[in-house]
Amino acid sequence: KQEVTQIPAALSVPEGENLVLNCSFTDSAIYNLQWFRQDPGKGLTSLLLIQSSQREQTSGRLNASLDKSSGRSTLYIAASQPGDSATYLCAVFNDYKLSFGAGTTVTVRA
Amino acid sequence: GAVVSQHPSRVICKSGTSVKIECRSLDFQATTMFWYRQFPKQSLMLMATSNEGSKATYEQGVEKDKFLINHASLTLSTLTVTSAHPEDSSFYICSAGVPGGGNTEAFFGQGTRLTVV
Repeated sequence: KQEVTQIPAALSVPEGENLVLNCSFTDSAIYNLQWFRQDPGKGLTSLLLIQSSQREQTSGRLNASLDKSSGRSTLYIAASQPGDSATYLCAVFNDYKLSFGAGTTVTVRA
Repeated sequence: GAVVSQHPSRVICKSGTSVKIECRSLDFQATTMFWYRQFPKQSLMLMATSNEGSKATYEQGVEKDKFLINHASLTLSTLTVTSAHPEDSSFYICSAGVPGGGNTEAFFGQGTRLTVV
């Protein structure tokens, strides 16, 4: 059974600082990995999708890396803003289903 | 990205009644949709996989007679919580799109906050 772990569980940084969010998974036989953002009481917004054959994906201030062999992914958010405050979830797809981590709750202080 | 609409966003019901939650893919056809449950400060737990025109596949520990899933068309799946009890209070989220191979992403609805009183 796939287990997905996200560290840290919570993170508070001043505005402008770079954010580093970590995700690890136990079964490396994944099709892809997806990072999501969730605002309180809301659904999920897809941020980045990394295929298993890729090493990283970038979108604006966001960059996600994937090391499938070691079962790790890292989401970098450059120059954080208060609007980046949310919970960030990573999910891996294998065995025809998505397995989620518990998320990292980020607070960016103005 | 594709749009998945979930309705209602919030519902309060009395214990013992049934509640129906709808999940629609607005601009694409989805032969497969997924239903998740999320407890506060916890991850999303997959409840079942909904397949158009056939029976849903439930995850271990999920009562299929309590959580009825119907996927009657390529754009609509419904989850009915039957004889709801306070312990069924939770955040329910659906998704459409199967992220297997290619660049297909999973797209999520806005979620439904169910409170059973």
